Amino acid sequence: DAGVIQSPRHEVTEMGQEVTLRCKPISGHNSLFWYRQTMMRGLELLIYFNNNVPIDDSGMPEDRFSAKMPNASFSTLKIQPSEPRDSAVYFCASSPDRGSYNEQFFGPGTRLTVL
Amino acid sequence: GQQVMQIPQYQHVQEGEDFTTYCNSSTTLSNIQWYKQRPGGHPVFLIQLVKSGEVKKQKRLTFQFGEAKKNSSLHITATQTTDVGTYFCAGLSGSARQLTFGSGTQLTVLP
Repeated sequence: DAGVIQSPRHEVTEMGQEVTLRCKPISGHNSLFWYRQTMMRGLELLIYFNNNVPIDDSGMPEDRFSAKMPNASFSTLKIQPSEPRDSAVYFCASSPDRGSYNEQFFGPGTRLTVL
Repeated sequence: GQQVMQIPQYQHVQEGEDFTTYCNSSTTLSNIQWYKQRPGGHPVFLIQLVKSGEVKKQKRLTFQFGEAKKNSSLHITATQTTDVGTYFCAGLSGSARQLTFGSGTQLTVLP
């Protein structure tokens, strides 16, 4: 199993540009989570999907952020327009959600720098 | 909303010394998980605790879940340089599927 796959691994962009982060969860996992990690705020949950449906997006900072999961094997997190304060590591994680056993498997992350 | 506090934020130990990190939740948890993140890496699942008062061991690591299911601890005996990283607790409450992560304890082991 390849694990959770994220792309790109690094992204450097200029303020105002659109950024799209991609995630492929582990096959068979039906929950997918997007997190943002910064030194100041730690690991924050942005949004999570269950069976491709967004369940809780209360962590999404503002309207500039949007996330989609068009099918069970792909999700995107889009920032438009990007701002320097969006610089962070963005992690995608998936979970098999087997009843009470919900270990999360994290991808390697995308390090985003907005200049 | 649920809050999970973790202390200390940083811990420097000499190799061979013990290390403990503590986690406290504002609400009763259905379970608690622990993750380790190596520098430059991603969080990796270590263990899950479900039962009140549960204690689990993984080699030199001992995990405890409080009787009231609102606190937990991770203890490492005789730390090694390979233990370096940030240790996060993450709690799940009620029927929620989303974990609430603590702020993490960054462990540095001096050789």
